[in-house]
Amino acid sequence: DIQMTQTPSSMPASLGERVTISCRASQGISNYLNWYQQKPDGTIKPLIYYTSNLQSGVPSRFSGSGSGTDYSLTISSLEPEDFAMYYCQQYDSSPLTFGSGTKLEIK
Amino acid sequence: EVQLVESGGGLVQPGRSMKLSCAASGFTFSSFPMAWVRQAPTKGLEWVATISTSGGSTYYRDSVKGRFTISRDNAKSTLYLQMNSLRSEDTATYYCTRERSTTPYWYFDFWGPGTMVTVSS
Repeated sequence: DIQMTQTPSSMPASLGERVTISCRASQGISNYLNWYQQKPDGTIKPLIYYTSNLQSGVPSRFSGSGSGTDYSLTISSLEPEDFAMYYCQQYDSSPLTFGSGTKLEIK
Repeated sequence: EVQLVESGGGLVQPGRSMKLSCAASGFTFSSFPMAWVRQAPTKGLEWVATISTSGGSTYYRDSVKGRFTISRDNAKSTLYLQMNSLRSEDTATYYCTRERSTTPYWYFDFWGPGTMVTVSS
């Protein structure tokens, strides 16, 4: 199975701050990488698909990049509703695997 | 509006069975592959199983192969997960998800609120 390592596991940050979450795959995944947001009430939604494509309805302050084994999610200016859990997920090979998550907390 | 609503979770003893359902609405159910993803308490997300649009192809993670069966009824717009020989490690919130798979894209574009399954004696 492809292991997805997310860093950091938690990140205190302030409103308006720019933050970047990293995701490293145990082998190259050819940009087959998605990002999801999970709110404290459990609600999950996709943010970015295929490394850098913004899901419909997601604010443009979210962006994704990367290649090979290293990928990142950037939020350009934090809004109150962005404090949540974030997961990366690869679909290069089965089983589909997720990162262990990054908790974005208010500083 | 796309809606996915899971049901059927609860407390079950180890070794017993449970069947989850997911009622879909707001889209043409038969046109999309569907999947179950689970999340153990305080843990991350874990893909469980996927089913093709017709139901003719199914895929499972190794830890549930031979114990879980994913199925669908396109006439009822409903997805199912039959879980047999349940173990304590199956304790999790189970999410019903819709798959968006148009090469090179493949992701879970809608998620239900989840249903909790607790396996304990």
